[in-house]
Amino acid sequence: KAGVTQTPRYLIKTRGQQVTLSCSPISGHRSVSWYQQTPGQGLQFLFEYFSETQRNKGNFPGRFSGRQFSNSRSEMNVSTLELGDSALYLCASSFSSGVTGELFFGEGSRLTVL
Amino acid sequence: AQTVTQSQPEMSVQEAETVTLSCTYDTSESNYYLFWYKQPPSRQMILVIRQEAYKQQNATENRFSVNFQKAAKSFSLKISDSQLGDTAMYFCAFMLSNNAGNMLTFGGGTRLMVKP
Repeated sequence: KAGVTQTPRYLIKTRGQQVTLSCSPISGHRSVSWYQQTPGQGLQFLFEYFSETQRNKGNFPGRFSGRQFSNSRSEMNVSTLELGDSALYLCASSFSSGVTGELFFGEGSRLTVL
Repeated sequence: AQTVTQSQPEMSVQEAETVTLSCTYDTSESNYYLFWYKQPPSRQMILVIRQEAYKQQNATENRFSVNFQKAAKSFSLKISDSQLGDTAMYFCAFMLSNNAGNMLTFGGGTRLMVKP
C-alpha cells in the first residue's frame, strides 16, 4: 500500500513569488492535514481538509490556503512568499477526522525562499 | 488552547540501554489522545505509540511504552533495549477526541542519539 506522497520534495523560490505543494494521501483516506516545520517555531498546524471541506485552520495568515479534490488529493498554496516561509511542509492523511487520531505523514516538501 | 512541552532538547543513550523521554501538556479537556512520533533523519514522521486519555492502562508497543499520568498531565516515553535505528527526533503530540478534526499540537521535540 503506497504511503503519503508529497511533491515536489525540494523547491527554491524568491520573495514575492507563490508556490503550490501537492499531497496524495493513502488510498481510502479522506482527511489531509498540513503542517509547517521550522527550527524556530517547530511543528505548527496549518489546516485540515476532509471530504473536500476545510475542517480546521491554524493561526497562519491568509497567504496560506489549501484545497482538496474529490479524489482526496490536496494542495496548499502560499502567495507572496516571505523569507520566513522557508520550512519543511508536511502532509498527513487519515481515514477519518477526529475519531481515531491516527495520522500518516509524508516525507515533506522542503521550501527555501531567497 | 492546548500546549505540549518537552523539556529535554537532546538526549543520548548507549545501545541496549533504556531511556525515558519526558512530555507534559496542558489542557482543560478530558477526552483526548496523546502520541509519540519519531522523525528519523530522512524526515518522515512515524507514529511510535498512542494513548487514549480515558484508558488508565499505559500503552505498550514492543520496546516502547508510556507512563501516562493524567492528573499530572504527564506522558513520558520509555525506550527499552535502545537500538541505533532509534536515533531520531521524537515529538510528543496532543489531539482532542471530540470529533473536532485531526489537529495535532506538537511539543518542541527531543533529539535522541543512540551510541554504539
